Amino acid sequence: DGGITQSPKYLFRKEGQNVTLSCEQNLNHDAMYWYRQDPGQGLRLIYYSQIVNDFQKGDIAEGYSVSREKKESFPLTVTSAQKNPTAFYLCASSAGTGTYEQYFGPGTRLTVT
Amino acid sequence: QKEVEQNSGPLSVPEGAIASLNCTYSDRVSQSFFWYRQYSGKSPELIMSIYSNGDKEDGRFTAQLNKASQYVSLLIRDSQPSDSATYLCAVNMGDKIIFGKGTRLHILP
Repeated sequence: DGGITQSPKYLFRKEGQNVTLSCEQNLNHDAMYWYRQDPGQGLRLIYYSQIVNDFQKGDIAEGYSVSREKKESFPLTVTSAQKNPTAFYLCASSAGTGTYEQYFGPGTRLTVT
Repeated sequence: QKEVEQNSGPLSVPEGAIASLNCTYSDRVSQSFFWYRQYSGKSPELIMSIYSNGDKEDGRFTAQLNKASQYVSLLIRDSQPSDSATYLCAVNMGDKIIFGKGTRLHILP
């Protein structure tokens, strides 16, 4: 059963703590993405990766970091430098970048207090 | 600035009627266009892709593309209460896909 999994579904953290969000896909997709969604806002691209061991900053990369050591996995770390980390985080994957369809995981809702 | 524009709504449509959702985009060289449905609290789900000018039909959904006018639309025939959701238009621009902020659709029983 192919798909994208994200864990956990809900995450609560105190201000000043780093937190890592998991994203795994078994679709054999080369490209993976992290988006952030805030109420009333569109999806904003944080980071994306076209191949293993390579990734690029999106529009709002400050305060975030990623790694892509395996094709199936693209974890996102929200660091204490991110000023407003409370949001809905969505991971997506696609066969390639640009014209290819993106498929989303179920998302992680992060609350930082 | 590369943009995808949608009317935020809400768009209220009686059950059984046709819902029409519209989207404009700024990049003339875009080649791929997508419609996603997002229920409240859930992640976006791809419902239609369109790559050529004209209409593409899939069940009750029809996507329409006019590259000259930089306009893409989604028609939902025989609207059902389960169609109530936010619909996101997405357009490829370079190696990224840019998403609109979405149109909230409400189907009135």
